[in-house]
Amino acid sequence: QSALTQPASVSGSPGQSITISCTGTSSDVGGYNYVSWYQQHPGKAPKLMIYEVSNRPSGVSNRFSGSKSGNTASLTISGLQAEDEADYYCSSYTSSSTRVFGTGTKVTVL
Amino acid sequence: EVQLVESGGGLVQPGGSLKLSCAASGFTFSGSAMHWVRQASGKGLEWVGRIRSKANSYATAYAASVKGRFTISRDDSKNTAYLQMNSLKTEDTAVYYCTRHGGDEFDYWGQGTLVTVSS
Repeated sequence: QSALTQPASVSGSPGQSITISCTGTSSDVGGYNYVSWYQQHPGKAPKLMIYEVSNRPSGVSNRFSGSKSGNTASLTISGLQAEDEADYYCSSYTSSSTRVFGTGTKVTVL
Repeated sequence: EVQLVESGGGLVQPGGSLKLSCAASGFTFSGSAMHWVRQASGKGLEWVGRIRSKANSYATAYAASVKGRFTISRDDSKNTAYLQMNSLKTEDTAVYYCTRHGGDEFDYWGQGTLVTVSS
């Protein structure tokens, strides 16, 4: 199972919106609505930000939103803030009943 | 409050074995599937494997990179999940996280334990 493809880095200025893509196949992202997104600050454990493509857990800012089209899922961060600077990973259920993560995206707030 | 605490990491020689533990509290452990995820220094997250609940026959699944070498188990009486790692390779060096399977996502994570495979 190959890792899902994410851009290595995305940047934006405070207040702007950015979008991170996560591309897989019909055997993972495209085949199920089981895509989740995680934020990871340096030296910390990952934190769930979005589950089942577009749902936000309690306590996660509504500036974070998710969507999916075909084999590509996306995470959008609106009103970018300094604290959003972190690494972001997508994850998907697969047809083999396993899980796969994306390659990771470093978000920089300019 | 949900807590997951990993332990058992350390330095091991190539070809050696190590067993990690993940102690859980704050939720009904016996009803939850548990996963292990690892992260090599400066690299991305890699799913290692999972074990389902008793209701799902304690079914396990593994990443191809560890299949046949790693075994996940659990003791519901101790609210603990385990990762037995055999035939360790230098490329298994990573921080290992345990994480709870929520609806269909990893909703809670431990702080991780470092495994270093080196001679």
